[in-house]
Amino acid sequence: VQLVESGGGVVQPGRSLRLSCAASGLTFSSYGMHWVRQVPGKGLEWVAVIWYDGSNKYYADSVKGRFTISRDNSKNTLHLQMNSLRAEDTAVYYCGRDSGSMTTYVDYWGQGTLVTVSS
Amino acid sequence: DIQMTQSPSTLSASVGDRVTITCRASQSISSWLAWYQQKPGKAPKLLIYKASTLDSGVPSRFSGSGSGTEFTLTISSLQPDDFATYYCQQYNSYSVTFGQGTKLEIK
Repeated sequence: VQLVESGGGVVQPGRSLRLSCAASGLTFSSYGMHWVRQVPGKGLEWVAVIWYDGSNKYYADSVKGRFTISRDNSKNTLHLQMNSLRAEDTAVYYCGRDSGSMTTYVDYWGQGTLVTVSS
Repeated sequence: DIQMTQSPSTLSASVGDRVTITCRASQSISSWLAWYQQKPGKAPKLLIYKASTLDSGVPSRFSGSGSGTEFTLTISSLQPDDFATYYCQQYNSYSVTFGQGTKLEIK
């Protein structure tokens, strides 16, 4: 299983950014997928999960209404659309495979992509 | 939302020591708990799921126990490779939450 995030970078407050996670070595459409973030030097914060078929999505309160998780099972790709970005959204963003089709724990992780929100 | 509280935040220990990290949930989560290990600059690594089941390839010196609201991760004999930060994570609900982490340092 390999998960490779992309799309990170420096963005101004209030702007948008879209992260992607390319998955290989798994039957992507069978698994739930997560985004988890980590402010450098701080702890892990769960961001969002999407079920295997995209039918259900759940978000942390801190990003609800601003971030949207989505997936394209035909392209084995997970996305995170981040709008109205704030300085406190600065973090390394990891995508992760759920152990099952819905919401459980992450058994495989990407290497992360850094998002910096700064003017 | 379910809150997860780990203790201690930092733990100093020596190679060969037996150490225990505690994770408490703000409400019962049955056995829906995972533990992860993270080293600086790396992604987390799954150690244990369903409170006590070791993930494939995880050394047997790691063990997990507990149910309901109180859980423990025990390392029976610390090895140099074990000095890292450990996180618990509940998955009792459709959304998940992590504990704040426990940094295991060399004494």
